[in-house]
Amino acid sequence: GIQVEQSPPDLILQEGANSTLRCNFSDSVNNLQWFHQNPWGQLINLFYIPSGTKQNGRLSATTVATERYSLLYISSSQTTDSGVYFCAVDTSGSRLTFGEGTQLTVNP
Amino acid sequence: NAGVTQTPKFRILKIGQSMTLQCTQDMNHNYMYWYRQDPGMGLKLIYYSVGAGITDKGEVPNGYNVSRSTTEDFPLRLELAAPSQTSVYFCASRLRGLAYEQYFGPGTRLTVT
Repeated sequence: GIQVEQSPPDLILQEGANSTLRCNFSDSVNNLQWFHQNPWGQLINLFYIPSGTKQNGRLSATTVATERYSLLYISSSQTTDSGVYFCAVDTSGSRLTFGEGTQLTVNP
Repeated sequence: NAGVTQTPKFRILKIGQSMTLQCTQDMNHNYMYWYRQDPGMGLKLIYYSVGAGITDKGEVPNGYNVSRSTTEDFPLRLELAAPSQTSVYFCASRLRGLAYEQYFGPGTRLTVT
């Protein structure tokens, strides 16, 4: 099956810093999503982005499908950005495969 | 729109007991999914369904059963609970087709002791 690798596994920032999270995948994908799991365990949809670039406030994402990677940018980080960021991909049109996530801690 | 709802939120089971985790969605989504998340790990697919009456195994189906009699509901049954099934269980759904995102419920935290 498809392999999904996220880096870095852990990231600690001071409030106001910028960061880039990476997701590499081993096969062509129909779908790629980024999720934020907050400290209460809730999974929040950030982006649906099988290719191209999208922006939503301080967050943006870029997927280069031909090179099999996606990047999530967080600018001017806030303590509420803390949590785990997951990348998930779909090759079959029916099911997502998740990476192991990046644990982000933003300190005040 | 309540989205994807799950009950219960928390449950403690003794080894060997059985239970059903409930999942309902009100978005008329065709596809529904059950995942488990162990501490510090990503989500792993247990079972999924592409429509009423159709179910299929994911990566980690052993020890679980599902059924899909309606579009809205997708219950997950645990038979003979084991400590290895201690986890957080998430239900998700999406529309049929290639270009639709998946939405998750709030999760059920299950402990088997």
